[in-house]
Amino acid sequence: DAKTTQPPSMDCAEGRAANLPCNHSTISGNEYVYWYRQIHSQGPQYIIHGLKNNETNEMASLIITEDRKSSTLILPHATLRDTAVYYCIVRGFGNEKLTFGTGTRLTIIP
Amino acid sequence: GAVVSQHPSRVICKSGTSVKIECRSLDFQATTMFWYRQFPKQSLMLMATSNEGSKATYEQGVEKDKFLINHASLTLSTLTVTSAHPEDSSFYICSARGDQSYNEQFFGPGTRLTVL
Repeated sequence: DAKTTQPPSMDCAEGRAANLPCNHSTISGNEYVYWYRQIHSQGPQYIIHGLKNNETNEMASLIITEDRKSSTLILPHATLRDTAVYYCIVRGFGNEKLTFGTGTRLTIIP
Repeated sequence: GAVVSQHPSRVICKSGTSVKIECRSLDFQATTMFWYRQFPKQSLMLMATSNEGSKATYEQGVEKDKFLINHASLTLSTLTVTSAHPEDSSFYICSARGDQSYNEQFFGPGTRLTVL
């Protein structure tokens, strides 16, 4: 699976949109981009995933660039409860394993 | 839906004893379960993958005789840390996946193991 690169930490003001970038320049055509988050001392929580089209659900939006080499997770109205480590993971279709990198520690500031 | 539970949430044991951690899928059948370990301020590391009714597949560097995994039913997998030592103290997290290759993994809340 392709390796991902994320900034180690970010701050965002409460109520603003949090935009978390992820670089996956070696992604191949059948690999999906997944986002999970982990709130302190809890198990990871699935957020969203996509292949090449932008995706939106009740939690977030995922914007994937046309060349698929990078993506951005958008939390539209960040709350204090969104403070967590966010992991961007690239996984091939049918590959059951998730390989977690170091993620981005997002801190929402009141 | 897609709830995964773990028991216990916290356990403290003496060095040399064995500890069993349970992972259950509460509202779906998990053909595959995964066990991860997370040390403080580090990311999750996959330890092993288990499929119902077959032997677990361990990641490189993980001792299969020390970390015994049993996946005897479609809703339950257990991880037994045998002869635990202080260096085994960690946060152990399981996840479960249904029977389709594109199914998401759903994670349990984790078990904090402290070995004295």
